[in-house]
Amino acid sequence: GEDVEQSLFLSVREGDSSVINCTYTDSSSTYLYWYKQEPGAGLQLLTYIFSNMDMKQDQRLTVLLNKKDKHLSLRIADTQTGDSAIYFCAEVPSNDYKLSFGAGTTVTVRA
Amino acid sequence: DVKVTQSSRYLVKRTGEKVFLECVQDMDHENMFWYRQDPGLGLRLIYFSYDVKMKEKGDIPEGYSVSREKKERFSLILESASTNQTSMYLCASRGGGSNQPQHFGDGTRLSIL
Repeated sequence: GEDVEQSLFLSVREGDSSVINCTYTDSSSTYLYWYKQEPGAGLQLLTYIFSNMDMKQDQRLTVLLNKKDKHLSLRIADTQTGDSAIYFCAEVPSNDYKLSFGAGTTVTVRA
Repeated sequence: DVKVTQSSRYLVKRTGEKVFLECVQDMDHENMFWYRQDPGLGLRLIYFSYDVKMKEKGDIPEGYSVSREKKERFSLILESASTNQTSMYLCASRGGGSNQPQHFGDGTRLSIL
């Protein structure tokens, strides 16, 4: 995870928006992913964005990509208790099979 | 939907034992991966395979080996388990093409006593 950095914790009130930030270093990365991990479970693919896009929206999820600053964010609108989980940002450089993961951001939703 | 199945959710073994972790996927994916997940370290790649009988080392292969005799199955082997291999192990698979994401199993929490 040394090439992908995320803040470790985020606390948000139920109903508010959550914003999870990620920075990456490999400018050749073609796809950037967001995964969600609920307690005791594996990783669930939430969404991904291709590097030639600036934004992608999927229901309550909005992904923003600033390629110049190598900054990726995930916004969750109207955060619910079921959104409490660890969120991982991951990149895959072009011509590679491997994902580089951040350490994960633990999101806690409080009532 | 892609289904990646890991044979055990929880496993307890003793130091020095040979341990097998099994992973099966049902989508005819070429690529399969084994990671371990530790608090504060995120996911680290142990080994991956891009075809039957093919394997490549990831970032932390020491103490592990793998086997891919059939396309759908990828096994992780701890030749002589040690306590520092206590961890959560995650298997993933991915189809061909650069835009294909990795799909993960539910993980195996392995404890070495």
